[in-house]
Amino acid sequence: AQSVTQLDSQVPVFEEAPVELRCNYSSSVSVYLFWYVQYPNQGLQLLLKYLSGSTLVKGINGFEAEFNKSQTSFHLRKPSVHISDTAEYFCAVSEWEYGNKLVFGAGTILRVKS
Amino acid sequence: GAVVSQHPSRVICKSGTSVKIECRSLDFQATTMFWYRQFPKQSLMLMATSNEGSKATYEQGVEKDKFLINHASLTLSTLTVTSAHPEDSSFYICSARDFKGLETQYFGPGTRLLVL
Repeated sequence: AQSVTQLDSQVPVFEEAPVELRCNYSSSVSVYLFWYVQYPNQGLQLLLKYLSGSTLVKGINGFEAEFNKSQTSFHLRKPSVHISDTAEYFCAVSEWEYGNKLVFGAGTILRVKS
Repeated sequence: GAVVSQHPSRVICKSGTSVKIECRSLDFQATTMFWYRQFPKQSLMLMATSNEGSKATYEQGVEKDKFLINHASLTLSTLTVTSAHPEDSSFYICSARDFKGLETQYFGPGTRLLVL
């Protein structure tokens, strides 16, 4: 069965500092991996996705993530955050065998302070 | 591209009434749409998978007679919460999957339901 663990429920960081949001997954087969961002009272916006190929994936708003198969991780990074990056970030995994249904992690709230 | 809309964005209703939420894919055809529920400070929980022209597939523990799903066209799915009760109050989010890109779901902005 699939599961996703986001190791930090909240990450406070100062503006212009780098940030890493951690995500680990468990699966016995090949997976697709996603990061979504949710602003208050809004739906989810796709930040980036890994389907195949290069393990370093670049997304919108300057975010990137690296797929590490041996460590079953897909950590999200940004070299310099802005106040506007304050939001909740969800890591998700899907498998073809499960109809590509998304399984979400619990979410990480990123709080950017000035 | 890949825009999904939901209507209404917010609804307040009395206990015992039914509420319909619409989910539309605006610029692509969605053979599959998904309905999620999100409680405060929690992650998204999949309620059901809706395939165009066929019956929805519900996740374990979700009452199909309570949450009626219709996916009559490639751009529209509806979720009807029947005989709503206060415990049905939640944030309902739909997503749609383009038949050309089966791996990726695009999410709507969500509907906040409050049952009094």
